[in-house]
Amino acid sequence: EVQLVESGGGLVQPGGSLRLSCAASGFTFSNYWMNWVRQAPGKGLEWVANIKQDGSEHFYVDSVKGRFTISRDNAKTSLYLQMNSLRVEDTAVYYCARDGAAAMGLDFWGQGTLVTVSS
Amino acid sequence: SYVLTQPPSVSVAPGKTATITCGANDIGSKSVHWYQQKPGQAPVLVIYLDSDRPSGIPERFSGSNSGNTATLTVSRVEAGDEADYYCQVWDSSSGHPFGSGTKVTVL
Repeated sequence: EVQLVESGGGLVQPGGSLRLSCAASGFTFSNYWMNWVRQAPGKGLEWVANIKQDGSEHFYVDSVKGRFTISRDNAKTSLYLQMNSLRVEDTAVYYCARDGAAAMGLDFWGQGTLVTVSS
Repeated sequence: SYVLTQPPSVSVAPGKTATITCGANDIGSKSVHWYQQKPGQAPVLVIYLDSDRPSGIPERFSGSNSGNTATLTVSRVEAGDEADYYCQVWDSSSGHPFGSGTKVTVL
């Protein structure tokens, strides 16, 4: 059974940093692109970043470029999101999601971890 | 950035058909995916590559994509279909943006 379990969320002050983790199991992690998607309270989904199977390519939404870094450890079957210079508008539930084979959509999602940026 | 426009809400009676649109410039040339999200839950993929259904998704869910509009159609709507629905495209220049979302209400 495919499982994605996020952790690392919490309350942080504006300008602070946080590192999210996503533990993957039930599939060959190193075969798939992986993504982070966020959802602000009461708002819609926003794609944040993704990373290639071997970590050699990654892409970001404009609003987080230069502040967030996506990475992965295939040996530990884990995905990460390092978030620096956090802003109030980064407050959201952050989901880890697997990219289906051949760009067939995000076929498995974790339950999300809440990040609150507030003073 | 590539902007996807969805109607904020759609209301439909049980047993009828719900049609949810996703509009964008030349969206017909891109691959579109659709997700269903119920309150307090993670999204679920219901249509991928414009019109294919993942295993476990009822045949009542179908999709199409042409020109400037992609469409998700839910036939014979049931109470359990009440949810938010989001379109998403695979775009090499702007990542994988989502639409603004459509809340489907079953009357």
